[in-house]
Amino acid sequence: AQSVTQLGSHVSVSEGALVLLRCNYSSSVPPYLFWYVQYPNQGLQLLLKYTTGATLVKGINGFEAEFKKSETSFHLTKPSAHMSDAAEYFCAVSERDSWGKLQFGAGTQVVVTP
Amino acid sequence: DADVTQTPRNRITKTGKRIMLECSQTKGHDRMYWYRQDPGLGLRLIYYSFDVKDINKGEISDGYSVSRQAQAKFSLSLESAIPNQTALYFCATSDFRGGNTGELFFGEGSRLTVL
Repeated sequence: AQSVTQLGSHVSVSEGALVLLRCNYSSSVPPYLFWYVQYPNQGLQLLLKYTTGATLVKGINGFEAEFKKSETSFHLTKPSAHMSDAAEYFCAVSERDSWGKLQFGAGTQVVVTP
Repeated sequence: DADVTQTPRNRITKTGKRIMLECSQTKGHDRMYWYRQDPGLGLRLIYYSFDVKDINKGEISDGYSVSRQAQAKFSLSLESAIPNQTALYFCATSDFRGGNTGELFFGEGSRLTVL
């Protein structure tokens, strides 16, 4: 069975600083990989996804993530944090034949300080 | 209007009561899902449906049932609610036509409290 590990349940960053959220997965074959964001009192929305091809994936709001097969990782970064980035972020994986059934990590709450 | 609509958004009930959470979508997607979110656990899949005649159990289906009334409607029921079913519930949809990779589109959630 797949599993997803997000390092750090809470991350505090200063406005303008680098945002780095770590995600590692366990899977026998490269899965589909996703990062979702959840703003307060809202549902989750997709930030970016990796399915195949280029391993550096760019998403919305200036976020990007890099798939590293050798490290089974899919870390999310943003060069300069903005106050509006305060939210909870979820890494998720899906086996290529699992038809949309995602396995989610526990989530990382990001706080942005002035 | 939201593409994926959940009702109610908030519900407080008592142990033993029957509860239904409803989900409707205007995205035209064939696949629908119910997930449960608990702090520190992320989201876990309860049930999923690939079309009206196809219902499947997810990771944590015990104590829950579902009904796919139409392509656009998918309801989750708790026949006899218990306190550890207190959680935030999400409905989601996906579409595999055209080579889509299974990205999920979420509703805004239904917060259920069982006393």
